[in-house]
Amino acid sequence: EAGVVQSPRYKIIEKKQPVAFWCNPISGHNTLYWYRQNLGQGPELLIRYENEEAVDDSQLPKDRFSAERLKGVDSTLKIQPAELGDSAVYLCASSSRQSNEKLFFGSGTQLSVL
Amino acid sequence: AQSVTQLDSHVSVSEGTPVLLRCNYSSSYSPSLFWYVQHPNKGLQLLLKYTSAATLVKGINGFEAEFKKSETSFHLTKPSAHMSDAAEYFCVVSDPGNTGKLIFGQGTTLQVKP
Repeated sequence: EAGVVQSPRYKIIEKKQPVAFWCNPISGHNTLYWYRQNLGQGPELLIRYENEEAVDDSQLPKDRFSAERLKGVDSTLKIQPAELGDSAVYLCASSSRQSNEKLFFGSGTQLSVL
Repeated sequence: AQSVTQLDSHVSVSEGTPVLLRCNYSSSYSPSLFWYVQHPNKGLQLLLKYTSAATLVKGINGFEAEFKKSETSFHLTKPSAHMSDAAEYFCVVSDPGNTGKLIFGQGTTLQVKP
């Protein structure tokens, strides 16, 4: 069974440019999460989806960050415009309704903003 | 509010010797606690999970953790380190309400020397 798939694996952009990350969760997992992991720190939740509904986006900087999960499967996370402080690893995770405390993580997208 | 504190940012052991990674938690209720491992360029993987059943929890790859309420601790141990155990380890507490939101510690880097 395929795990959580994220792309791209790495992204380097200049500040003020837009960037988008894509995530394909495990098939059948209704809950999808985006986490941000700064260097030397643990991941922090940005947004959580139940199917296509964002049920917790309290930590998402809404002035520049947006996310969508239109059909309740794949998700994209966008930053526009990017700032130097956005450099981090962006992790996607998914979980099933039966075991929503066991998250399966993708390998992440490492973003460098120059 | 729930939080976890990992007491060591870096632990170095020799192959074949015991591993101890320390974690203290703060929670106003009976918490769900986890240990996740992150190998370089790989996704976070669940090692083990405590959810108020047995206080000694066995996980994958020979790791185990003991929940001690009196000490508010959830330390991770392994009797004999292997080179492949070198990775970043995160102690995690679950947000109340069974939402699946995880709160990560800062992480402990485990180095295993030959």
